[in-house]
Amino acid sequence: GAVVSQHPSRVICKSGTSVKIECRSLDFQATTMFWYRQFPKQSLMLMATSNEGSKATYEQGVEKDKFLINHASLTLSTLTVTSAHPEDSSFYICSAGTSGLSYEQYFGPGTRLTVT
Amino acid sequence: GENVEQHPSTLSVQEGDSAVIKCTYSDSASNYFPWYKQELGKGPQLIIDIRSNVGEKKDQRIAVTLNKTAKHFSLHITETQPEDSAVYFCAATYSNSGYALNFGKGTSLLVTP
Repeated sequence: GAVVSQHPSRVICKSGTSVKIECRSLDFQATTMFWYRQFPKQSLMLMATSNEGSKATYEQGVEKDKFLINHASLTLSTLTVTSAHPEDSSFYICSAGTSGLSYEQYFGPGTRLTVT
Repeated sequence: GENVEQHPSTLSVQEGDSAVIKCTYSDSASNYFPWYKQELGKGPQLIIDIRSNVGEKKDQRIAVTLNKTAKHFSLHITETQPEDSAVYFCAATYSNSGYALNFGKGTSLLVTP
């Protein structure tokens, strides 16, 4: 149980284009989903927290107009990187928290974004 | 906000030996402490967690201890195997933060045959 999927696993795009990454909880309902980015050999940095049906809460320094997050259902959240630039190249990982009093977060396999 | 320190950054052990990774946290309100294993190119995998009302938890070869007074918690892996080689992250969170995890910088564990 507690499986989270991400799509695509890898994407290469040209500078200036937009890319959408999907995060799905496959066997549970996730009232809260989190988006992280991870640079090589570094830790995970929280970008934003999204709750189903409401606006995402972004961490300080993360541009909400550049990283659009939508959490339209209890099993799907999307991250859209708009007008991507080479410095946006990174490993993007989502996680989903189960509803109720549980703290556990389960992570997706990640999406490797390369902007050329 | 919460600050999680993790040591060591790299750890090399021989197969069969034990490995210990230590973390400290700054916010006394933190009450949930998970450990994640991340293999290259993959997402983190939850391997064990502990809540603040418990001092120790064990799952086969993996154990976690928590000292709330000192604000530190540790991961213990016994009888290490080459497949334990990965990067391990500790994290801390509390309910008022919306359960957002604050991660340590990670420990790269290498188990040599």
